[in-house]
Amino acid sequence: NAGVTQTPKFRVLKTGQSMTLLCAQDMNHEYMYWYRQDPGMGLRLIHYSVGEGTTAKGEVPDGYNVSRLKKQNFLLGLESAAPSQTSVYFCASSYAEAVGDETQYFGPGTRLLVL
Amino acid sequence: RKEVEQDPGPFNVPEGATVAFNCTYSNSASQSFFWYRQDCRKEPKLLMSVYSSGNEDGRFTAQLNRASQYISLLIRDSKLSDSATYLCVVKDSNYQLIWGAGTKLIIKP
Repeated sequence: NAGVTQTPKFRVLKTGQSMTLLCAQDMNHEYMYWYRQDPGMGLRLIHYSVGEGTTAKGEVPDGYNVSRLKKQNFLLGLESAAPSQTSVYFCASSYAEAVGDETQYFGPGTRLLVL
Repeated sequence: RKEVEQDPGPFNVPEGATVAFNCTYSNSASQSFFWYRQDCRKEPKLLMSVYSSGNEDGRFTAQLNRASQYISLLIRDSKLSDSATYLCVVKDSNYQLIWGAGTKLIIKP
């Protein structure tokens, strides 16, 4: 099993450009998440999904959109990139809470630089 | 005040020593508690969950103190491979995970 994979691993954007980050998991997890990690701060939740076709806002959703058209994929879109979106983006997945295993499994991250 | 606070460190510790660090949380209604480990430029990985009765996994011991609203992580007989950033995570009453910024640990030979 590959676990959680993310593409791309690294990207440089100019202000105003758009892009999509792809997350895929092969563990049949119901829940998926997008976080950003900045120096000196904890992981902050951008958006999450509790199942195929559902999405919800996290702590810092502005400037991002997401889609969960297939259970195994969770896409994060940047509509018009800004330098403040320079960060490391992590995707994670987990079982539904009823299963009792709350572990979040993370992808390797995408490093994004917005100039 | 941050919801989950950790001493950023770094903690510089000689190999074989015991090291402990705490994490404080502000929401007394928090539900669950975890320690994750993150190696440099890598993704976080679950180290252990923290139960009310405390729990131990080999050289690692986690404790929860609800009265004082903190959790602790103790590492005994530290190894060079323990060098990492340790992230404290708290699930709040809305079932959202709140992440601390992490404590950096450096084990020196």
